Amino acid sequence: DVKVTQSSRYLVKRTGEKVFLECVQDMDHENMFWYRQDPGLGLRLIYFSYDVKMKEKGDIPEGYSVSREKKERFSLILESASTNQTSMYLCASSFVQGAQPQHFGDGTRLSIL
Amino acid sequence: AQKITQTQPGMFVQEKEAVTLDCTYDTSDQSYGLFWYKQPSSGEMIFLIYQGSYDEQNATEGRYSLNFQKARKSANLVISASQLGDSAMYFCAMREHNTDKLIFGTGTRLQVFP
Repeated sequence: DVKVTQSSRYLVKRTGEKVFLECVQDMDHENMFWYRQDPGLGLRLIYFSYDVKMKEKGDIPEGYSVSREKKERFSLILESASTNQTSMYLCASSFVQGAQPQHFGDGTRLSIL
Repeated sequence: AQKITQTQPGMFVQEKEAVTLDCTYDTSDQSYGLFWYKQPSSGEMIFLIYQGSYDEQNATEGRYSLNFQKARKSANLVISASQLGDSAMYFCAMREHNTDKLIFGTGTRLQVFP
């Protein structure tokens, strides 16, 4: 089975801190994605990567950056955390193109105080 | 612009009954894919079923089936013989043309009661 592992289920940080959310997948997927999920808004794409060191902005990239130094690992970085970044963050991975679904991690519930 | 619409914020169904969760989509592409995911209260997103725009048959996976009406641009999820464990959020999503990005709807919360 595909395994997508997010480093923390729950995380509490303070305003202004630099925050790292880590995601690792074990299925050699080319694509990796970071979403945030807020009530009533569904999942919104922050960034995605289709190859090592490659990244593209999603719909809501402001205030975030990403890093993909190895194929299996995709990190989301909050450069200076703000309270409006309190949310559920979901990482996903998939093969390139076609009918292959994205496989998700368990999510990180991040609170910025 | 491509868009997914789920108009039912919440649905109730009695155990063992069937339920239909609505999903409509908007795209000008001829080639696209539609996905349904389940999200229990624990938070993980579980892939349920996929329908390609050129698939002639409606997709089925166990108790899940997809009522795909291309002309109406709808891809409703049908869950037969509901179980208490089906209580969850359900998301419809569409793959953007020539990318692997997904556009998600806002979700439907399904509650199954005994």
